[in-house]
Amino acid sequence: EIVLTQSPATLSLSPGERATLSCRASQSVSSYLAWYQQKPGQAPRLLIYDASNRATGIPARFSGSGSGTDFTLTISSLEPEDFAVYYCQQRSNWPPVFTFGPGTKVDIK
Amino acid sequence: QVQLVQSGAEVKKPGASVKVSCKASGYTFTSYGISWVRQAPGQGLEWMGWISAYNGNTNYAQKLQGRVTMTTDTSTSTAYMELRSLRSDDTAVYYCARDGPGMTTATPPDYWGQGTLVTVSS
Repeated sequence: EIVLTQSPATLSLSPGERATLSCRASQSVSSYLAWYQQKPGQAPRLLIYDASNRATGIPARFSGSGSGTDFTLTISSLEPEDFAVYYCQQRSNWPPVFTFGPGTKVDIK
Repeated sequence: QVQLVQSGAEVKKPGASVKVSCKASGYTFTSYGISWVRQAPGQGLEWMGWISAYNGNTNYAQKLQGRVTMTTDTSTSTAYMELRSLRSDDTAVYYCARDGPGMTTATPPDYWGQGTLVTVSS
Protein backbone atom coordinates (compact mmCIF):
# COMPACT_ATOMS: atom_id res chain seq x y z
CA GLU A 1 0.00 0.00 0.00
CA ILE A 2 1.36 3.39 -1.02
CA VAL A 3 1.52 5.98 1.75
CA LEU A 4 1.59 9.71 1.03
CA THR A 5 3.29 12.16 3.38
CA GLN A 6 2.66 15.90 3.15
CA SER A 7 4.78 18.67 4.58
CA PRO A 8 4.52 20.95 6.31
CA ALA A 9 1.36 20.16 8.22
CA THR A 10 0.62 23.88 8.49
CA LEU A 11 1.98 26.77 6.46
CA SER A 12 1.41 30.29 7.78
CA LEU A 13 1.81 32.92 5.10
CA SER A 14 0.55 36.36 4.11
CA PRO A 15 -1.43 37.25 0.98
CA GLY A 16 0.93 37.84 -1.92
CA GLU A 17 3.54 35.37 -0.64
CA ARG A 18 4.58 32.20 -2.43
CA ALA A 19 3.43 28.86 -1.03
CA THR A 20 5.36 25.63 -1.61
CA LEU A 21 3.69 22.39 -0.49
CA SER A 22 5.36 18.99 -0.61
CA CYS A 23 3.96 15.49 -1.10
CA ARG A 24 6.15 12.39 -0.87
CA ALA A 25 5.09 8.85 -1.80
CA SER A 26 6.42 5.70 -0.13
CA GLN A 27 7.07 4.23 -3.60
CA SER A 28 6.92 5.53 -7.14
CA VAL A 29 3.50 6.66 -8.37
CA SER A 30 4.86 7.72 -11.76
CA SER A 31 3.01 10.96 -12.55
CA TYR A 32 -0.34 9.80 -11.14
CA LEU A 33 -0.49 12.51 -8.54
CA ALA A 34 -3.29 15.04 -8.06
CA TRP A 35 -3.79 18.02 -5.78
CA TYR A 36 -7.05 19.15 -4.20
CA GLN A 37 -8.08 22.25 -2.30
CA GLN A 38 -10.74 22.05 0.41
CA LYS A 39 -12.39 24.87 2.30
CA PRO A 40 -14.49 24.35 5.46
CA GLY A 41 -17.92 22.93 4.70
CA GLN A 42 -17.14 22.39 1.03
CA ALA A 43 -16.29 19.43 -1.15
CA PRO A 44 -12.72 19.15 -2.39
CA ARG A 45 -11.81 20.94 -5.63
CA LEU A 46 -9.43 19.39 -8.15
CA LEU A 47 -6.50 21.71 -8.86
CA ILE A 48 -3.81 19.62 -10.55
CA TYR A 49 -3.87 16.16 -12.13
CA ASP A 50 -1.08 13.95 -13.44
CA ALA A 51 1.44 15.95 -11.40
CA SER A 52 1.52 19.12 -13.49
CA ASN A 53 -1.73 19.62 -15.42
CA ARG A 54 -4.10 22.30 -14.20
CA ALA A 55 -7.73 21.24 -14.07
CA THR A 56 -10.34 23.22 -15.95
CA GLY A 57 -10.81 26.73 -14.59
CA ILE A 58 -7.86 26.66 -12.19
CA PRO A 59 -5.87 29.93 -12.11
CA ALA A 60 -2.33 29.96 -13.44
CA ARG A 61 -0.90 30.85 -10.01
CA PHE A 62 -1.34 27.15 -9.13
CA SER A 63 1.33 24.85 -10.54
CA GLY A 64 2.45 21.30 -9.87
CA SER A 65 5.70 19.51 -10.46
CA GLY A 66 7.48 16.25 -9.74
CA SER A 67 7.41 12.59 -10.65
CA GLY A 68 8.16 9.27 -9.02
CA THR A 69 8.04 9.90 -5.28
CA ASP A 70 8.47 13.66 -4.80
CA PHE A 71 5.91 16.26 -5.79
CA THR A 72 5.35 19.96 -5.20
CA LEU A 73 2.34 22.25 -5.41
CA THR A 74 3.27 25.91 -5.77
CA ILE A 75 0.95 28.87 -5.37
CA SER A 76 2.92 31.74 -6.84
CA SER A 77 1.17 34.59 -5.03
CA LEU A 78 -1.46 33.80 -2.41
CA GLU A 79 -4.88 35.33 -2.83
CA PRO A 80 -7.26 35.61 0.16
CA GLU A 81 -9.39 32.77 -1.23
CA ASP A 82 -6.38 30.38 -1.32
CA PHE A 83 -6.26 29.88 2.44
CA ALA A 84 -7.50 26.32 2.78
CA VAL A 85 -6.39 22.72 3.25
CA TYR A 86 -4.56 21.05 0.37
CA TYR A 87 -4.46 17.29 -0.20
CA CYS A 88 -2.37 15.27 -2.58
CA GLN A 89 -3.81 12.05 -4.01
CA GLN A 90 -2.22 9.19 -5.91
CA ARG A 91 -3.90 6.57 -8.04
CA SER A 92 -3.04 3.22 -9.55
CA ASN A 93 -4.36 2.13 -12.94
CA TRP A 94 -5.66 -1.35 -12.18
CA PRO A 95 -7.18 -2.17 -9.91
CA PRO A 96 -8.15 1.45 -9.39
CA VAL A 97 -6.97 2.52 -5.95
CA PHE A 98 -6.70 6.06 -4.67
CA THR A 99 -4.82 7.29 -1.61
CA PHE A 100 -4.92 10.74 -0.06
CA GLY A 101 -2.20 12.44 1.89
CA PRO A 102 -2.99 13.86 5.35
CA GLY A 103 -3.21 17.43 4.08
CA THR A 104 -1.41 20.76 4.49
CA LYS A 105 -3.30 23.68 5.98
CA VAL A 106 -2.37 27.06 4.53
CA ASP A 107 -3.45 29.73 6.97
CA ILE A 108 -3.09 33.47 7.24
CA LYS A 109 -0.05 34.71 9.10
CA GLN B 1 -23.75 21.57 -16.27
CA VAL B 2 -22.47 18.51 -14.43
CA GLN B 3 -24.21 17.96 -11.10
CA LEU B 4 -24.07 15.22 -8.50
CA VAL B 5 -26.89 15.48 -5.95
CA GLN B 6 -26.70 13.26 -2.91
CA SER B 7 -29.38 12.06 -0.53
CA GLY B 8 -29.93 13.69 2.83
CA ALA B 9 -28.34 13.25 6.22
CA GLU B 10 -28.80 9.99 8.10
CA VAL B 11 -28.65 8.98 11.74
CA LYS B 12 -28.06 5.28 12.36
CA LYS B 13 -27.47 3.01 15.33
CA PRO B 14 -24.35 0.87 15.61
CA GLY B 15 -24.73 -2.34 13.64
CA ALA B 16 -27.20 -0.85 11.17
CA SER B 17 -26.71 -0.18 7.46
CA VAL B 18 -26.89 3.01 5.44
CA LYS B 19 -27.40 3.52 1.71
CA VAL B 20 -26.44 6.87 0.20
CA SER B 21 -27.55 7.85 -3.29
CA CYS B 22 -25.87 10.15 -5.81
CA LYS B 23 -27.95 11.32 -8.78
CA ALA B 24 -25.92 12.53 -11.75
CA SER B 25 -26.97 14.96 -14.46
CA GLY B 26 -25.41 17.05 -17.19
CA TYR B 27 -23.26 14.31 -18.75
CA THR B 28 -23.45 10.77 -20.12
CA PHE B 29 -23.60 8.72 -16.92
CA THR B 30 -22.09 5.55 -18.34
CA SER B 31 -18.99 7.35 -19.66
CA TYR B 32 -17.45 8.03 -16.25
CA GLY B 33 -16.64 6.13 -13.11
CA ILE B 34 -17.70 7.23 -9.65
CA SER B 35 -15.57 7.27 -6.52
CA TRP B 36 -16.85 7.45 -2.96
CA VAL B 37 -14.79 9.39 -0.43
CA ARG B 38 -15.54 10.03 3.22
CA GLN B 39 -14.32 12.55 5.76
CA ALA B 40 -14.70 12.07 9.50
CA PRO B 41 -15.25 15.25 11.54
CA GLY B 42 -12.08 17.34 11.57
CA GLN B 43 -10.15 14.67 9.69
CA GLY B 44 -8.73 14.14 6.21
CA LEU B 45 -10.13 12.48 3.11
CA GLU B 46 -10.47 8.71 2.87
CA TRP B 47 -11.09 6.96 -0.44
CA MET B 48 -13.68 4.19 -0.06
CA GLY B 49 -13.92 2.70 -3.53
CA TRP B 50 -14.70 3.15 -7.20
CA ILE B 51 -17.34 1.87 -9.58
CA SER B 52 -17.47 1.94 -13.35
CA ALA B 53 -20.83 3.28 -14.45
CA TYR B 54 -20.20 1.60 -17.80
CA ASN B 55 -19.99 -2.03 -16.67
CA GLY B 56 -20.38 -2.01 -12.88
CA ASN B 57 -16.80 -3.08 -12.14
CA THR B 58 -15.83 -2.12 -8.62
CA ASN B 59 -12.78 -1.87 -6.41
CA TYR B 60 -13.05 -1.16 -2.69
CA ALA B 61 -10.58 0.08 -0.14
CA GLN B 62 -9.11 -2.90 1.66
CA LYS B 63 -10.22 -1.75 5.11
CA LEU B 64 -13.87 -1.64 4.00
CA GLN B 65 -13.93 -4.93 2.06
CA GLY B 66 -16.94 -6.98 3.12
CA ARG B 67 -18.85 -4.01 4.56
CA VAL B 68 -19.30 -1.76 1.53
CA THR B 69 -21.17 -2.25 -1.74
CA MET B 70 -21.29 0.25 -4.59
CA THR B 71 -23.86 -0.02 -7.36
CA THR B 72 -25.31 2.06 -10.15
CA ASP B 73 -28.72 2.34 -11.81
CA THR B 74 -28.11 3.51 -15.36
CA SER B 75 -31.86 4.01 -15.97
CA THR B 76 -31.87 6.85 -13.43
CA SER B 77 -28.17 7.89 -13.63
CA THR B 78 -27.80 7.21 -9.94
CA ALA B 79 -24.94 5.71 -7.98
CA TYR B 80 -25.37 4.10 -4.57
CA MET B 81 -23.05 3.32 -1.71
CA GLU B 82 -24.19 0.94 1.04
CA LEU B 83 -22.18 0.53 4.24
CA ARG B 84 -23.13 -2.22 6.68
CA SER B 85 -22.35 -3.05 10.31
CA LEU B 86 -21.94 0.61 11.11
CA ARG B 87 -19.67 1.69 13.94
CA SER B 88 -19.21 5.04 15.63
CA ASP B 89 -16.03 5.65 13.65
CA ASP B 90 -18.07 5.49 10.43
CA THR B 91 -19.52 8.87 11.38
CA ALA B 92 -18.46 11.10 8.51
CA VAL B 93 -19.49 13.15 5.52
CA TYR B 94 -19.73 10.84 2.53
CA TYR B 95 -19.04 12.22 -0.95
CA CYS B 96 -19.59 10.80 -4.40
CA ALA B 97 -17.29 12.14 -7.10
CA ARG B 98 -17.07 11.68 -10.84
CA ASP B 99 -13.90 10.61 -12.69
CA GLY B 100 -12.04 13.58 -14.10
CA PRO B 101 -9.24 14.03 -16.61
CA GLY B 102 -6.54 11.44 -17.22
CA MET B 103 -5.81 8.32 -19.20
CA THR B 104 -6.11 5.53 -16.61
CA THR B 105 -9.14 3.38 -15.84
CA ALA B 106 -10.09 5.59 -12.91
CA THR B 107 -9.05 9.20 -12.77
CA PRO B 108 -8.91 11.92 -10.09
CA PRO B 109 -12.46 13.14 -9.56
CA ASP B 110 -13.32 16.61 -10.81
CA TYR B 111 -17.03 16.90 -9.90
CA TRP B 112 -18.21 16.16 -6.40
CA GLY B 113 -21.56 15.80 -4.71
CA GLN B 114 -22.49 18.08 -1.84
CA GLY B 115 -21.79 15.42 0.75
CA THR B 116 -24.06 13.39 3.03
CA LEU B 117 -23.53 13.40 6.79
CA VAL B 118 -23.94 9.96 8.30
CA THR B 119 -23.99 9.91 12.08
CA VAL B 120 -23.66 6.61 13.91
CA SER B 121 -24.78 6.85 17.50
CA SER B 122 -26.64 4.76 20.03
